[in-house]
Amino acid sequence: QVQLQESGPGLVKPSETLSLTCTVSGASVSTYYWTWIRQPPGKGLEWIGNVYHGVTTNYNSSLESRVTISLDTSKNQFSLKLTSMTAADTAVYYCARDGGVYSGIDYWGQGTLVTVTS
Amino acid sequence: SSVLTQPPSVSVAPGETARITCAGDTIGTQGVQWYQQRPGQAPVLVIYYFFDRPSGIPERFSSFRSGNTATLIISGVEAGDEAVYYCQVWDGRTVLFGGGTMMTVL
Repeated sequence: QVQLQESGPGLVKPSETLSLTCTVSGASVSTYYWTWIRQPPGKGLEWIGNVYHGVTTNYNSSLESRVTISLDTSKNQFSLKLTSMTAADTAVYYCARDGGVYSGIDYWGQGTLVTVTS
Repeated sequence: SSVLTQPPSVSVAPGETARITCAGDTIGTQGVQWYQQRPGQAPVLVIYYFFDRPSGIPERFSSFRSGNTATLIISGVEAGDEAVYYCQVWDGRTVLFGGGTMMTVL
C-alpha cells in the first residue's frame, strides 16, 4: 500500500521560505511523477509542480519563479521549497503520486495546513 | 493558458443521476481524470483516462467525452456522494484542475 506523509511547519512568516517534505512508503520515488498541490481555505485545487525520473521538474507558471521541487532517493522523500511567502500562500499543501496522462493522481497525503502570518 | 470550466454546483435527489461537466480546449486531446473531495479529506481519484475506474470505485461512477467537454456521471446517487468534484488534465508538461463542482444530495 502506497502512503505519503507531509511534514513541515504549520506557520510561516511573510517573506520567509516554506520547506515541506513528503515521505513515501510502498513505492519508489525513482519512478512516477511526485507532485505538490495546494488548496487555499474554501477554494479549489492548485497544482504547484512535480519531479520525475529523479531530475526533471515541471512547475505551475504562476509559481515557477518561487518554487523548487526535489527528490532524495536515499530517504525516499521529495520536497517543496516556496520562497517569498505571503498571505495568499496560506493553504493546505498536499503531496501526491501522479501516474501521468493515462493514470491520474492515485495516491495523496493527508495534507498539511500552512498559514502565513507575522 | 488553458482553462477547465465546471459548473459551481449541482443538486440531485437520492437515487437520481448526477451529471457534472468539464469544458476545455485540451480535453479533446488528453486524458481526463475526475476526483471526489469530501469535506476535510484529500481528493480521491474516481475516473482516470476518460472512462476507467480505479479499484474500489463503484460502477455508479462513469464518464464520457464529447468534443471538448467531459462529463462525470454518478448513477443512483447516495448521500455519501455529496462532495466537491474536480476534473483534471495534463496541459503539455503541466497539470490543470477545473474549479470544482459542489454536488449536493437533496
